[in-house]
Amino acid sequence: AQSVTQLDSQVPVFEEAPVELRCNYSSSVSVYLFWYVQYPNQGLQLLLKYLSGSTLVKGINGFEAEFNKSQTSFHLRKPSVHISDTAEYFCAVSVAGNQFYFGTGTSLTVIP
Amino acid sequence: GAVVSQHPSWVICKSGTSVKIECRSLDFQATTMFWYRQFPKQSLMLMATSNEGSKATYEQGVEKDKFLINHASLTLSTLTVTSAHPEDSSFYICSALGGDPINEQFFGPGTRLTVL
Repeated sequence: AQSVTQLDSQVPVFEEAPVELRCNYSSSVSVYLFWYVQYPNQGLQLLLKYLSGSTLVKGINGFEAEFNKSQTSFHLRKPSVHISDTAEYFCAVSVAGNQFYFGTGTSLTVIP
Repeated sequence: GAVVSQHPSWVICKSGTSVKIECRSLDFQATTMFWYRQFPKQSLMLMATSNEGSKATYEQGVEKDKFLINHASLTLSTLTVTSAHPEDSSFYICSALGGDPINEQFFGPGTRLTVL
């Protein structure tokens, strides 16, 4: 069975500081990995995804994530956050593009 | 990119009434759509998988007679909350499966249901 763990439920960070949101997964088969962002009262928007190839994936809004197979991690990073990055972030894994499993989410709050 | 819409975006209804929520894939065909429920400050809870032309597959604990799902075409799935009660108040999000070469989920903007 697959599972996704987001270790930090809330992450406060000052504006222009770097941030890392952690995601670990468990799976006995190969998976595809995704990060989504959700702004208040909105649906989920895809930030980035890892399907294959380079383990460093760049997404929208200056975010990037690195797939680490040995550590089964897919941490999301941004070198300098903005107030507008305040949102809920969800990590997800997919098996064969059909079954999707979501983490519990990390609430990022950027402090002015 | 692929766009998924939901209608309505917000609905308020009286207890005992039924509410229908539509989910449409606007620029692609989706044989599979998903319905999620999200409580405040929580993650998405998968309610059911909707397949075009067949019965929906419900997750454990989700009442199929309470949450009726119909996937009548490759671009439209509907969720009907029957005889809604205040505890059904929630944020409902749909997604459609698509993409090439690998399927990914494209999410709708969500529907906020408030039952008085």
